[in-house]
Amino acid sequence: GAVVSQHPSRVICKSGTSVKIECRSLDFQATTMFWYRQFPKQSLMLMATSNEGSKATYEQGVEKDKFLINHASLTLSTLTVTSAHPEDSSFYICSAHGQGDEKLFFGSGTQLSVL
Amino acid sequence: RKEVEQDPGPFNVPEGATVAFNCTYSNSASQSFFWYRQDCRKEPKLLMSVYSSGNEDGRFTAQLNRASQYISLLIRDSKLSDSATYLCVVTPTDKLIFGTGTRLQVFP
Repeated sequence: GAVVSQHPSRVICKSGTSVKIECRSLDFQATTMFWYRQFPKQSLMLMATSNEGSKATYEQGVEKDKFLINHASLTLSTLTVTSAHPEDSSFYICSAHGQGDEKLFFGSGTQLSVL
Repeated sequence: RKEVEQDPGPFNVPEGATVAFNCTYSNSASQSFFWYRQDCRKEPKLLMSVYSSGNEDGRFTAQLNRASQYISLLIRDSKLSDSATYLCVVTPTDKLIFGTGTRLQVFP
């Protein structure tokens, strides 16, 4: 079946550094990818929607200059957390569905810890 | 008011018990409804879609009440492996809105 591969699974970084998270769709083309963030004991919150070849759409309250999203191909979307701070520590998950497919496939998530 | 509300639990039940989770949503225009299961710090996995007529998949039964904007999930004959967080998911637009989840702990 369709698989979404997300890397890295865990990253620990110093405050002020940038972290890139990759999300790849395997065996299918992902025209749309969603990026979620989940703080402990809270729900998955949608951060942004990325569409291949166009600018991402950010949810209210999410800084587009801090969370850079690139969806340059039908199989790859990246989320870069720029100048990360401890409050950015969270679980980030990507998801994707192909054209005409209602089903959503999730990456395995990235646990980001900013020291 | 949150778009999707769930009782956070935890629900602690013995093996073999029947347990029910509820979820309410605020947007009456919502079209699709799902239950997802999430293990600790893992990605959510689709458990089942929820249809107006109600649907069953083995030990799991999902119900939708559009008039009351209410969704339920019933788990019969609970297994230890059912221990997880169950997320109610609603799609008022093309995006999925997740509830905070209800934690279930099944004990021997």
